[in-house]
Amino acid sequence: NAGVTQTPKFHILKTGQSMTLQCAQDMNHGYMSWYRQDPGMGLRLIYYSAAAGTTDKEVPNGYNVSRLNTEDFPLRLVSAAPSQTSVYLCASSYQDRGPNQPQHFGDGTRLSIL
Amino acid sequence: AQSVTQPDIHITVSEGASLELRCNYSYGATPYLFWYVQSPGQGLQLLLKYFSGDTLVQGIKGFEAEFKRSQSSFNLRKPSVHWSDAAEYFCAVGASNTGTASKLTFGTGTRLQVTL
Repeated sequence: NAGVTQTPKFHILKTGQSMTLQCAQDMNHGYMSWYRQDPGMGLRLIYYSAAAGTTDKEVPNGYNVSRLNTEDFPLRLVSAAPSQTSVYLCASSYQDRGPNQPQHFGDGTRLSIL
Repeated sequence: AQSVTQPDIHITVSEGASLELRCNYSYGATPYLFWYVQSPGQGLQLLLKYFSGDTLVQGIKGFEAEFKRSQSSFNLRKPSVHWSDAAEYFCAVGASNTGTASKLTFGTGTRLQVTL
């Protein structure tokens, strides 16, 4: 069972470059989300999607997402800044069925921006 | 807005000793509460969850947690810690008023070190 797959696992970017972090799930989950994880800060929700064709953001700038199908939820850094250095975690769950359907997390992408 | 506080950044316990990790939340209604564990280089794994009913919930790997509304707490416990329990533990709250627990607010985490 693949679950939630994130690629790449590690990457280094230069300030101003753009990049897309990939996230794919094979569990037919409707709900997908992106978090960033920073030391001492826990996880912070960046973007989420309740279903294919819909997205909503939690933080205003610097990120973009698309949800063209159920399986994939890529996160794009439009113009990378050092403040976006972080570990990015993707998660998925069944759509709006409450806490009986827990979120499944990928292993994360560790991104450094120089 | 909901929030979660994990007051202990780092805890060290001896193998075989008991463990309690603290979690306090702020939320206007009855919350959905979760504990996740993260091993180095891995994603998060759900240990247990609470959303209603019995306030003492059992999870995987021998963990349990107790929801105390009067104290706004959801502390995680284990009677006897194993060296493999060394990891980072996150408490999280989901909003119950939207009918979904999918939007989670996480605490800052507690790193558990186990000495042999």
